[in-house]
Amino acid sequence: DAMVIQNPRYQVTQFGKPVTLSCSQTLNHNVMYWYQQKSSQAPKLLFHYYDKDFNNEADTPDNFQSRRPNTSFCFLDIRSPGLGDAAMYLCATSREVWVITEAFFGQGTRLTVV
Amino acid sequence: GDSVTQMEGPVTLSEEAFLTINCTYTATGYPSLFWYVQYPGEGLQLLLKATKADDKGSNKGFEATYRKETTSFHLEKGSVQVSDSAVYFCALTPLDTGRRALTFGSGTRLQVQP
Repeated sequence: DAMVIQNPRYQVTQFGKPVTLSCSQTLNHNVMYWYQQKSSQAPKLLFHYYDKDFNNEADTPDNFQSRRPNTSFCFLDIRSPGLGDAAMYLCATSREVWVITEAFFGQGTRLTVV
Repeated sequence: GDSVTQMEGPVTLSEEAFLTINCTYTATGYPSLFWYVQYPGEGLQLLLKATKADDKGSNKGFEATYRKETTSFHLEKGSVQVSDSAVYFCALTPLDTGRRALTFGSGTRLQVQP
């Protein structure tokens, strides 16, 4: 059974129209991550939550926001998507943040901007 | 900053051939090293890991040895199968800095032909 679930698998949005991607987990892990993966590139960390504490990467554009209303759910909000934001977005979890023994990934959401 | 470099793909092999995918890293401190695999249409899954120098991670016939002197973590398998066709990501996470999230290489696509 899937432990990290991302919805939807495919999302098409219009240029400039806000879009929200969702992630849920059944592992009860403390940490949830959002990565952006463009074609043939390494996944790039956007931000992570340790419990309710939000940690933004220094080079993550302000256009990207995140919410974690409870342990199980985490959302990625893109306020005004541009063509350059088309990518695969990966959600991941881990039990703790100071020692990562394993991270669990969802199947990803492929975002297309038209 | 931390980085991971992988050999470019795709790597195309015949079934039962020997596989090597090279991975080298740059990191401050002493990272833990991982190989993740992404099968078509699925999320990333942990394949194997090593947390200190000279450790060998192994799983499903794949092996990788943490070589501190060459800062490498090459992935090997003695006899590949068609079902091994996937994208393989080398990754690290440092233990003695504030950053705990995974840093990935750009991935290497493996295609195994019958």
